[in-house]
Amino acid sequence: QKEVEQDPGPLSVPEGAIVSLNCTYSNSAFQYFMWYRQYSRKGPELLMYTYSSGNKEDGRFTAQVDKSSKYISLFIRDSQPSDSATYLCAMSDSNYQLIWGAGTKLIIKP
Amino acid sequence: DAGITQSPRHKVTETGTPVTLRCHQTENHRYMYWYRQDPGHGLRLIHYSYGVKDTDKGEVSDGYSVSRSKTEDFLLTLESATSSQTSVYFCASTQEGEKLFFGSGTQLSVL
Repeated sequence: QKEVEQDPGPLSVPEGAIVSLNCTYSNSAFQYFMWYRQYSRKGPELLMYTYSSGNKEDGRFTAQVDKSSKYISLFIRDSQPSDSATYLCAMSDSNYQLIWGAGTKLIIKP
Repeated sequence: DAGITQSPRHKVTETGTPVTLRCHQTENHRYMYWYRQDPGHGLRLIHYSYGVKDTDKGEVSDGYSVSRSKTEDFLLTLESATSSQTSVYFCASTQEGEKLFFGSGTQLSVL
């Protein structure tokens, strides 16, 4: 079993929909949680960064961490075609070594 | 955006030949990383560096070596390329913590 599980998709939704992307993990020591966005033929870029549990909001994006369930989510409101990309979750404990999910490919249909 | 450039962007080589990939960053970041990305596996750490001449192995380091002689440059070498090393390779850097900045990747094909 992988330390971090992420559904590879693709997830296809119409423009304007609310998107929910998720990762589960097994290591209870993880306390730093990140979402990266990766466009085709580009490197990943940091989208959201959360420490420990709780929610964090940035514009149309909300990151949610539930440490009791070992489950993290990324919500995208009012989704746009430009949000079409692969979304990677990543997490670490205190030694800064990131463990990555395999990524979910998201397609927003105009 | 952090200035991280990788070269070459694309490389086709034959089994058994040595290959060197280059990463150059202009941000004076202390930490640099080499990852490979394969379908179904996400990003896997090959090697990383926490300073000039200070490097360590990641989870998939077999068959790879690295060198960092200057803060801005991090080289990844495949001593004798194999078909299993066909992949997309990403370099990343950061000054501290987990907020990595990535290059655009090198697509390597080993025939």
